[in-house]
Amino acid sequence: NAGVTQTPKFQVLKTGQSMTLQCAQDMNHEYMSWYRQDPGMGLRLIHYSVGAGITDQGEVPNGYNVSRSTTEDFPLRLLSAAPSQTSVYFCASRLSGTSGLSSYNEQFFGPGTRLTVL
Amino acid sequence: AQKVTQAQTEISVVEKEDVTLDCVYETRDTTYYLFWYKQPPSGELVFLIRRNSFDEQNEISGRYSWNFQKSTSSFNFTITASQVVDSAVYFCALSSSGSNFNKFYFGSGTKLNVKP
Repeated sequence: NAGVTQTPKFQVLKTGQSMTLQCAQDMNHEYMSWYRQDPGMGLRLIHYSVGAGITDQGEVPNGYNVSRSTTEDFPLRLLSAAPSQTSVYFCASRLSGTSGLSSYNEQFFGPGTRLTVL
Repeated sequence: AQKVTQAQTEISVVEKEDVTLDCVYETRDTTYYLFWYKQPPSGELVFLIRRNSFDEQNEISGRYSWNFQKSTSSFNFTITASQVVDSAVYFCALSSSGSNFNKFYFGSGTKLNVKP
């Protein structure tokens, strides 16, 4: 298993450009999510998905779009990049389980994408 | 509101010293989950432990131990006889039941420097 993969590893954009960060997992996980990591702020949830066709907003969704057409893929789109979106982006996945105590599963994280917006 | 506070921004110790990383959480849910992750200088996130709110037993795994105290809303992490390879940023995280089940809240992290 490759686990959670992310492409690209590094990206530099100019303000106003658009791009898509790719995320894929081969563990048949229902749940996938995107985070951004900024210095001194930990990781913050952008969007998440509990299955194909189902997405929802996290803590910092503005400026980002997502869709989930397959179980394996969960791309993150920046429609018009801004310098405030300079960050390291992590994708994660896990088995959804239920809200029962014993079935909350750990998240597996991808290696991250370092994005700079000039 | 869900919140995780890691008040220690950076800690430096000398190899073989013991070190405790603090984590204080806030949640109104009675069922919740706490996690610790390690982020070494290479940048990946490594899962260390998961606890649920009904399991207050402390846990030990080799040189690592965790102290979960609901009375003080804390989930502290101790490394015994630290080693240079323990140098990393450590994150505490929280998720809970109900509407917050699919949301993960991270603390700001504690950077641990272990000097030889």
